Amino acid sequence: SAVISQKPSRDICQRGTSLTIQCQVDSQVTMMFWYRQQPGQSLTLIATANQGSEATYESGFVIDKFPISRPNLTFSTLTVSNMSPEDSSIYLCSVEAKGYEQYFGPGTRLTVT
Amino acid sequence: AQSVTQPDIHITVSEGASLELRCNYSYGATPYLFWYVQSPGQGLQLLLKYFSGDTLVQGIKGFEAEFKRSQSSFNLRKPSVHWSDAAEYFCAVDRRGLGNEKLTFGTGTRLTIIP
Repeated sequence: SAVISQKPSRDICQRGTSLTIQCQVDSQVTMMFWYRQQPGQSLTLIATANQGSEATYESGFVIDKFPISRPNLTFSTLTVSNMSPEDSSIYLCSVEAKGYEQYFGPGTRLTVT
Repeated sequence: AQSVTQPDIHITVSEGASLELRCNYSYGATPYLFWYVQSPGQGLQLLLKYFSGDTLVQGIKGFEAEFKRSQSSFNLRKPSVHWSDAAEYFCAVDRRGLGNEKLTFGTGTRLTIIP
């Protein structure tokens, strides 16, 4: 398995500002994913981040709103830009390890006021 | 539409009783199947997975799941629940065998344990 950490664990942000969430893995992985979990909802994939290439965004998510960096095989960031209260969610990163298993970080709980 | 369905939004079970959480998928072929658990304020933890072979798979924490192709189901079971099992449970499918390597999650089932 992989051990994943996220920073910050939670934050309260003002409308119109941006927040960058960091995801660190304890081993090198090819595929990293970013998910959003809105209050009381399931997980929705935002994008897939592979090292050395542009992130691939899912329908309904755009790079201008959720820019992603993947500078190496153990680290990625997700920025939530120009935030509105509708962006209040838990944001989770995950990695794909052996056997097509995905392991998840503890999440970043974002509240936008 | 292709989807993953968890028909039970909330289930309440007495401690020590048996548990079954339902999951159905509607893809044309068998995807890879997973169950995850999310405890309050935590990330997701993988309980078990099914790719092929024996249709009864064992996972962590005493959970098991049975794949039934005829019913397109992958139900999660536990013979005797503990209070620590109270959490949100998500069924998920990975369709990489069908050209889509992303995880799609069901809507989740919240499990409450009563003494």
